[in-house]
Amino acid sequence: QQQVRQSPQSLTVWEGGTTVLTCSYEDSTFNYFPWYQQFPGEGPALLISILSVSDKKEDGRFTTFFNKREKKLSLHIIDSQPGDSATYFCAGRGSALGRLHFGAGTQLIVIP
Amino acid sequence: EAAVTQSPRNKVAVTGGKVTLSCNQTNNHNNMYWYRQDTGHGLRLIHYSYGAGSTEKGDIPDGYKASRPSQENFSLILELATPSQTSVYFCASGDGGINQDTQYFGPGTRLLVL
Repeated sequence: QQQVRQSPQSLTVWEGGTTVLTCSYEDSTFNYFPWYQQFPGEGPALLISILSVSDKKEDGRFTTFFNKREKKLSLHIIDSQPGDSATYFCAGRGSALGRLHFGAGTQLIVIP
Repeated sequence: EAAVTQSPRNKVAVTGGKVTLSCNQTNNHNNMYWYRQDTGHGLRLIHYSYGAGSTEKGDIPDGYKASRPSQENFSLILELATPSQTSVYFCASGDGGINQDTQYFGPGTRLLVL
């Protein structure tokens, strides 16, 4: 059973537009939600994360939103740039520290 | 800067052969992980470790063994490789912090089992 579901599988946006990626999760004990960014040929790297006590966290052009009631989170990228083209993974962590459950990923392409 | 290295970066193996993937981290992190990445499945956890001498099963451990001989090194062993184990394998390390639980990934190993 997949603990974290991610959509869409792929997404194409124009440069300057806003990108929205979404995830949902099953386990109500999840309390920490990171987003990882992966460029082709590289390993994933942490982009932004949020704890379940917050509903929003912002870092530059990237903002993640968390809705505990609906068990959903999202990643918004404003003023999307071609350099943002990558695969994005959301993840969730429950009571076991260090144990992340990853979504299947969203491949983002930003067209100049 | 966190540093996780993997070797080899590419490997071709034959069905039934033994494959060992190695991972080294210089972050002094207690936790280390092995994932495989396949299209449509994202990152799936194979084995992980909380420290030297410990290994734990992840979500898909069948057909894999792990070894953590030291804080720095974590190996993934395929005793009898099968074509279904063709994938990209990532090692990661992390400190398992309560409020910030960052995992640092290596560059990956591409494994092809013929």
